[in-house]
Amino acid sequence: EAGVAQSPRYKIIEKRQSVAFWCNPISGHATLYWYQQILGQGPKLLIQFQNNGVVDDSQLPKDRFSAERLKGVDSTLKIQPAKLEDSAVYLCASSFDLSSGYTFGSGTRLTVV
Amino acid sequence: QKEVEQNSGPLSVPEGAIASLNCTYSDRGSQSFFWYRQYSGKSPELIMFIYSNGDKEDGRFTAQLNKASQYVSLLIRDSQPSDSATYLCAVPASRGNNRLAFGKGNQVVVIP
Repeated sequence: EAGVAQSPRYKIIEKRQSVAFWCNPISGHATLYWYQQILGQGPKLLIQFQNNGVVDDSQLPKDRFSAERLKGVDSTLKIQPAKLEDSAVYLCASSFDLSSGYTFGSGTRLTVV
Repeated sequence: QKEVEQNSGPLSVPEGAIASLNCTYSDRGSQSFFWYRQYSGKSPELIMFIYSNGDKEDGRFTAQLNKASQYVSLLIRDSQPSDSATYLCAVPASRGNNRLAFGKGNQVVVIP
């Protein structure tokens, strides 16, 4: 079974620039999540999709972050404009059902300078 | 109150010893609990899942759930240097939403 694919692995941008991350979940996993993990902290949910609909985006800073999941498969997360405090690892995960937990992708490490 | 808390600092254990990690959760109705291992610079990977009260063993790992006291533990027996990582506890954040809330993690360092 192929895992969750994410790209890019690393990204360095200047503040106020924009950036986009891509995720391809495990085939057949209807639920897709984007988490933000700041160094030394646990992952924090940004947005959850069920197929191509948003289930929970209550912790997404909507003034600068946006996400979409077209056709219920791939997803992109965008930040515009970026702030220094957005420096973190952005993790994509997918699940078939919660009883089996999530599978995480390798993550994108974002550094905003 | 946070949904899940892991409060202890880095844990150093000698090789071959038992490492013990604890996690408390706030939602008394939580039914399932997860432990993830995260190596430095890597993404979390699921190592244990426990649903019912009591213990669940998988190789050198044992998860213990105490619903009355609302805590879940992870024991690592015969600790190896390869167990050096951060261990994240996770619980379903709310019923029906099919998502997990994570603790901040506990770092384990196994000293050869």
